[in-house]
Amino acid sequence: GEDVEQSLFLSVREGDSSVINCTYTDSSSTYLYWYKQEPGAGLQLLTYIFSNMDMKQDQRLTVLLNKKDKHLSLRIADTQTGDSAIYFCAPDMRFGAGTRLTVKP
Amino acid sequence: NAGVTQTPKFRVLKTGQSMTLLCAQDMNHEYMYWYRQDPGMGLRLIHYSVGEGTTAKGEVPDGYNVSRLKKQNFLLGLESAAPSQTSVYFCASSYESSSYEQYFGPGTRLTVT
Repeated sequence: GEDVEQSLFLSVREGDSSVINCTYTDSSSTYLYWYKQEPGAGLQLLTYIFSNMDMKQDQRLTVLLNKKDKHLSLRIADTQTGDSAIYFCAPDMRFGAGTRLTVKP
Repeated sequence: NAGVTQTPKFRVLKTGQSMTLLCAQDMNHEYMYWYRQDPGMGLRLIHYSVGEGTTAKGEVPDGYNVSRLKKQNFLLGLESAAPSQTSVYFCASSYESSSYEQYFGPGTRLTVT
């Protein structure tokens, strides 16, 4: 959707951290989701953050929310080849175009 | 629980043919959705349903019809397929409103020649 923007591609080396950024326009967004789509598969929920939080950590995943700037990011620590996929930002289930993460060995 | 299932997984149609995609969920969810996914455009909502017997238009409804006769099923119909409808179609469901987490099916890849 045009009101949720993400970079289309990101390439990192195995073991590095990946940061996927997302900007959105609807300041009333309450639940901000990150979905992962592996090749040939449907979307799976990775994590989400409520709008009253500014950070959420879940194992290798860290979500940062800047409500003032309407900016959401997903950091994946120690990125592995199995993390290669398309990642969708979805504030209140309005989807961005997705960022294709490629992890090189 | 199977979650959300979709049939068929693949289909090739000729322009002008019709078909129905079936989505089924076994989670007793009230809300169901049909999306299409095109390269570089993310997911776009076609139609959705907030309960049995109800349907509503999404962002890109033209050329599609839907029905929700049973709570667990949501059907997407193409009456006269066009090459522009070549896409991957995803069904999803959620317990409550569309702002809540949605569970997705595996997708149907449709090619219209």
